[in-house]
Amino acid sequence: EAGVAQSPRYKIIEKRQSVAFWCNPISGHATLYWYQQILGQGPKLLIQFQNNGVVDDSQLPKDRFSAERLKGVDSTLKIQPAKLEDSAVYLCASSLGWRVTEAFFGQGTRLTVV
Amino acid sequence: AQSVTQPDIHITVSEGASLELRCNYSYGATPYLFWYVQSPGQGLQLLLKYFSGDTLVQGIKGFEAEFKRSQSSFNLRKPSVHWSDAAEYFCAVYNDMRFGAGTRLTVKP
Repeated sequence: EAGVAQSPRYKIIEKRQSVAFWCNPISGHATLYWYQQILGQGPKLLIQFQNNGVVDDSQLPKDRFSAERLKGVDSTLKIQPAKLEDSAVYLCASSLGWRVTEAFFGQGTRLTVV
Repeated sequence: AQSVTQPDIHITVSEGASLELRCNYSYGATPYLFWYVQSPGQGLQLLLKYFSGDTLVQGIKGFEAEFKRSQSSFNLRKPSVHWSDAAEYFCAVYNDMRFGAGTRLTVKP
């Protein structure tokens, strides 16, 4: 079974630039999560989708971050404009159902904002 | 406030010694608890999970965890640590998808 795919693996941008991350979840998984993991901290949930609808985006900085999940499959997370404090690993995860089933994580995208 | 706490930022144990990583939670409802491991450069891998039933749960790689409602804890244990267990360990509560800050495990030869 293929896992959660994320790209790119690494990205370096200057502050105020924009960046986008892509995630392809495990086939058949209805739930998709985006997490931000700052160095030395645990993952923080940014947004959760159930199919193509948003379930929880309470911790998403909506002034600069946006996410979409077209057709309930792939998802993109965008930051515009980026700030230095956005430097982190962005993790995508997917699960069959909502919260009570195991979430499988991708390897993440490491973003460095300089 | 709802929270999940891992009191130990960094733990060092000798290879072959036993291990216990602490996790405490504060939730009004019954928590759904998980432990994940993250090796350098790798994604998060599920070690074990607790939903209900037997409070002692077995996981992969020889890990186990015990849910103690009276202590609001879900500590991870392993009787004999291997050098390959060196990694970051995260406790998570699935009720609101919240992760603890993590405990970094170093294994001495």
